[in-house]
Amino acid sequence: GAGVSQSPRYKVAKRGQDVALRCDPISGHVSLFWYQQALGQGPEFLTYFQNEAQLDKSGLPSDRFFAERPEGSVSTLKIQRTQQEDSAVYLCASSSTSGRAAEQYFGPGTRLTVT
Amino acid sequence: DAKTTQPNSMESNEEEPVHLPCNHSTISGTDYIHWYRQLPSQGPEYVIHGLTSNVNNRMASLAIAEDRKSSTLILHRATLRDAAVYYCILRDRRTGANSKLTFGKGITLSVRP
Repeated sequence: GAGVSQSPRYKVAKRGQDVALRCDPISGHVSLFWYQQALGQGPEFLTYFQNEAQLDKSGLPSDRFFAERPEGSVSTLKIQRTQQEDSAVYLCASSSTSGRAAEQYFGPGTRLTVT
Repeated sequence: DAKTTQPNSMESNEEEPVHLPCNHSTISGTDYIHWYRQLPSQGPEYVIHGLTSNVNNRMASLAIAEDRKSSTLILHRATLRDAAVYYCILRDRRTGANSKLTFGKGITLSVRP
């Protein structure tokens, strides 16, 4: 079946531009996570949705980062006034609620380069 | 979140077994031990998880020490496709699907033909 998809796969933005990154989770998955992965590092948590509710945004690095999931399916991560330090791979993951150890299914990521 | 420590890298030969260690001396009684791996230019993928007993699935085996302070991911016959970064992660079972994954740097596995 279809996995998690993300678009665009690559994005180049000039410093100061706004960007929007899209995530299509696996159909029916209630939980959706965004992670940021800098070069050579492991992914770091940004934010978490359960359906349309954003239950945890403790990992968002600044108020320039904003995420939404208005209908409980597709999610968008928006970064305003991009800075060079925002250059990273942004990963989206979804999971079902079944099971206490529900595995997360990751998309391929969006590589953002800020010039 | 409880912390895990892994070696930075490991090399293996194709078709030989690989043992990837992980230390988690501060693990709590409610933590699952999860392993994910990340192939080049891809998102992470789930490999296996366990609580107390050793676990086997089609991808790998997970051996958990009796005191749970360490574990070992075992790939029985490494293939070139297994070259990846492997992450050992502790995850509180009380929060289940609601809990984020806390990745470290992982261990980079190289497989020689």
